[in-house]
Amino acid sequence: GNSVTQMEGPVTLSEEAFLTINCTYTATGYPSLFWYVQYPGEGLQLLLKATKADDKGSNKGFEATYRKETTSFHLEKGSVQVSDSAVYFCALSSGYALNFGKGTSLLVTP
Amino acid sequence: GAGVSQSPSNKVTEKGKDVELRCDPISGHTALYWYRQSLGQGLEFLIYFQGNSAPDKSGLPSDRFSAERTGGSVSTLTIQRTQQEDSAVYLCASSSRGLNYEQYFGPGTRLTVT
Repeated sequence: GNSVTQMEGPVTLSEEAFLTINCTYTATGYPSLFWYVQYPGEGLQLLLKATKADDKGSNKGFEATYRKETTSFHLEKGSVQVSDSAVYFCALSSGYALNFGKGTSLLVTP
Repeated sequence: GAGVSQSPSNKVTEKGKDVELRCDPISGHTALYWYRQSLGQGLEFLIYFQGNSAPDKSGLPSDRFSAERTGGSVSTLTIQRTQQEDSAVYLCASSSRGLNYEQYFGPGTRLTVT
């Protein structure tokens, strides 16, 4: 069945540091891949997505590239801000329901 | 425009009682989903509605859980004879289509079973 594995947190970084959150997946067929973000006290929001191999999703300075050969969709940002502190979820969809990873908590300190 | 809304935002109930959780999807969205977010299990898919088709109930954890969607819009998730392990945040999402389309999530209902 489909599954997503993402690195455990919490991740603590200083402002302006480089961020990588690893995500790998197992799926049949050709899933779409997503990163969702949950800011403190708020609901889940779509951060970015990629629907086929080698696609790069990007938004708010975050990027992730759909790598079929390594079944990965790692999230990166070149310079994090305090406002990026949140929980990040990697997810896949090969139909309609989303399969989520466990989430990675990110804390950015000034 | 208005996003997905859910009510109540918090619900505390005694073990054995029934609860109803409500979801108002984004107007015009034909697909509606329920998920559960708990510390132990992470985010789990529960049920999916698409238009007037029969729902996919494959994620419901037991027959104490049921959901309906009236008029293709508002949905109610019902949990009968609640147990402590039902304590979680119940999230509703909607999308304009079902297949690989962006899902918009509501703020969730935090259910605590005492």
